[in-house]
Amino acid sequence: ETGVTQSPTHLIKTRGQQVTLRCSSQSGHNTVSWYQQALGQGPQFIFQYYREEENGRGNFPPRFSGLQFPNYSSELNVNALELDDSALYLCASSLGADGYTFGSGTRLTVV
Amino acid sequence: RKEVEQDPGPFNVPEGATVAFNCTYSNSASQSFFWYRQDCRKEPKLLMSVYSSGNEDGRFTAQLNRASQYISLLIRDSKLSDSATYLCVVNGYSSASKIIFGSGTRLSIRP
Repeated sequence: ETGVTQSPTHLIKTRGQQVTLRCSSQSGHNTVSWYQQALGQGPQFIFQYYREEENGRGNFPPRFSGLQFPNYSSELNVNALELDDSALYLCASSLGADGYTFGSGTRLTVV
Repeated sequence: RKEVEQDPGPFNVPEGATVAFNCTYSNSASQSFFWYRQDCRKEPKLLMSVYSSGNEDGRFTAQLNRASQYISLLIRDSKLSDSATYLCVVNGYSSASKIIFGSGTRLSIRP
């Protein structure tokens, strides 16, 4: 059974640029959730995808967008990067509502 | 008021001590509750689910009090390897959010 994999592991971008983060869900999982974790804080919910449809969104601006593909992998896109977007971005997959498995995250630094 | 609140700590206790964390949640409709463990610069990992009847897994005991809307985690005979951040997680079951994390409680076990 493969776990959740995220790419890239680290990324440095300049303010104003755009970034795409990727996540491959655990085998058999049809739900993917994305979280942003700033240093010293708990993960903050960005949005969730279930069977390729957005299924809930947290308090993040529209420049945070996502996709889920037929194989249940997912992308998180962030446009017009701001310094405060620097964080660890976590992807979690699940089968339905429980039992979330997290990837090791992408550490994004915006300079 | 935050949806999930935890004492941030840090808790600094000697090896072998018993330590307890509490977490309160605001949404009385919440259905599922979990404790996750997060090591420094790593992804969160499920420690245990929390059931209404309470549950125990070795040295770890989790309890849920729906009337008062709090959950607790008790660690007995603490080990050096228990040093981590413990995240309280609640499944919101709302359209705006899915699983919601507390900001975490830092635990440091000293020899």
